[in-house]
Amino acid sequence: DVKVTQSSRYLVKRTGEKVFLECVQDMDHENMFWYRQDPGLGLRLIYFSYDVKMKEKGDIPEGYSVSREKKERFSLILESASTNQTSMYLCASSSGGAAQTQYFGPGTRLLVL
Amino acid sequence: QKEVEQDPGPLSVPEGAIVSLNCTYSNSAFQYFMWYRQYSRKGPELLMYTYSSGNKEDGRFTAQVDKSSKYISLFIRDSQPSDSATYLCAMDEENTGRRALTFGSGTRLQVQP
Repeated sequence: DVKVTQSSRYLVKRTGEKVFLECVQDMDHENMFWYRQDPGLGLRLIYFSYDVKMKEKGDIPEGYSVSREKKERFSLILESASTNQTSMYLCASSSGGAAQTQYFGPGTRLLVL
Repeated sequence: QKEVEQDPGPLSVPEGAIVSLNCTYSNSAFQYFMWYRQYSRKGPELLMYTYSSGNKEDGRFTAQVDKSSKYISLFIRDSQPSDSATYLCAMDEENTGRRALTFGSGTRLQVQP
């Protein structure tokens, strides 16, 4: 079974703090994704990566950065957290071949005060 | 206008009912269609995957795609309380593995025992 794990299930941070969200997958997948999920807005793509050290902006990259130093690990960084970044953050991974199925982690619920 | 529209619900049905969940989309280039199920406080998990038009059945679940109408459906027969979750449709144009999916905002389903 594919397993995608995220470092925290719940996080509470203060405005202005630097926040690191980590994601690890164990299936040697090439592609990894960070989404945020908000009521009524569904899943919105923040960044994705199709190889180590490669990254592509998604639909809402502002205020975020990412790092992929190893194939299995994809980190999302909030340089200076703001209250509008309070959300559920979901990491996903997929193989590079046919039938691009994305496998999701359990999510990190972030509250910025 | 969103690329993918999905009624947020909630949709409440009695146990044993047939459930119909739907999405409409505007991008005629979408060829790959998926349904994800997301339980409360969990990440989405892939339920069904179809390519182009037609039907696909898996147990109590049937996915239907009508590309001419830009309309996809998920039917659940003999619905169970354990089917209570949010159902997200997702779509993609190509199968390169280097693209992110476009998601609907999800329909919350409640199956009453």
